[in-house]
Amino acid sequence: AQTVTQSQPEMSVQEAETVTLSCTYDTSESDYYLFWYKQPPSRQMILVIRQEAYKQQNATENRFSVNFQKAAKSFSLKISDSQLGDAAMYFCACGTGNQFYFGTGTSLTVIP
Amino acid sequence: GAGVSQSPSNKVTEKGKDVELRCDPISGHTALYWYRQSLGQGLEFLIYFQGNSAPDKSGLPSDRFSAERTGGSVSTLTIQRTQQEDSAVYLCASSLEQGRNQPQHFGDGTRLSIL
Repeated sequence: AQTVTQSQPEMSVQEAETVTLSCTYDTSESDYYLFWYKQPPSRQMILVIRQEAYKQQNATENRFSVNFQKAAKSFSLKISDSQLGDAAMYFCACGTGNQFYFGTGTSLTVIP
Repeated sequence: GAGVSQSPSNKVTEKGKDVELRCDPISGHTALYWYRQSLGQGLEFLIYFQGNSAPDKSGLPSDRFSAERTGGSVSTLTIQRTQQEDSAVYLCASSLEQGRNQPQHFGDGTRLSIL
């Protein structure tokens, strides 16, 4: 079975500071992809960043970067220079085979 | 349109009624997914379609749930004899093709409330 676990239901960060959201996953597949999605109050899920499991180099996308530890099956998201617009639910997801598996989300609050 | 479109955005209905939720994917996207998001929960996979292939229905929670995709484009998710536990946000997503490496583009969802 594939599972994705986000152990932090809620996180908060001061504006302009850095925050790291945790995610662990479990899959028996050797080829998979990992994603972080953001869901603001508007409800629409927005892709933040994607990581190919076969790549050792951590993906980065502007202020967003990941720390991918394949052996530990860990895929954390780091948000640098946090902005008020970063406040949202963040979902980690693992794409294997034909399906995607999502974690239960982390609610991020940005404090002005 | 540029994105995935879902309608209605909100639906309130009485227990026992049937509901239909619609999803219009991004033009040219062959893969389409339905998810259910209950309050405070992650996304629960329901069903996905890939082109003209038989859909993967493995996530449908009961036989009251069904979905179809006509002409490889618009999809409808139907819930028969709705129950209160069906209350949730139903999200639709599409991707260029089916595959674990393809990012999914989501609609705004339909918030379904069963009274």
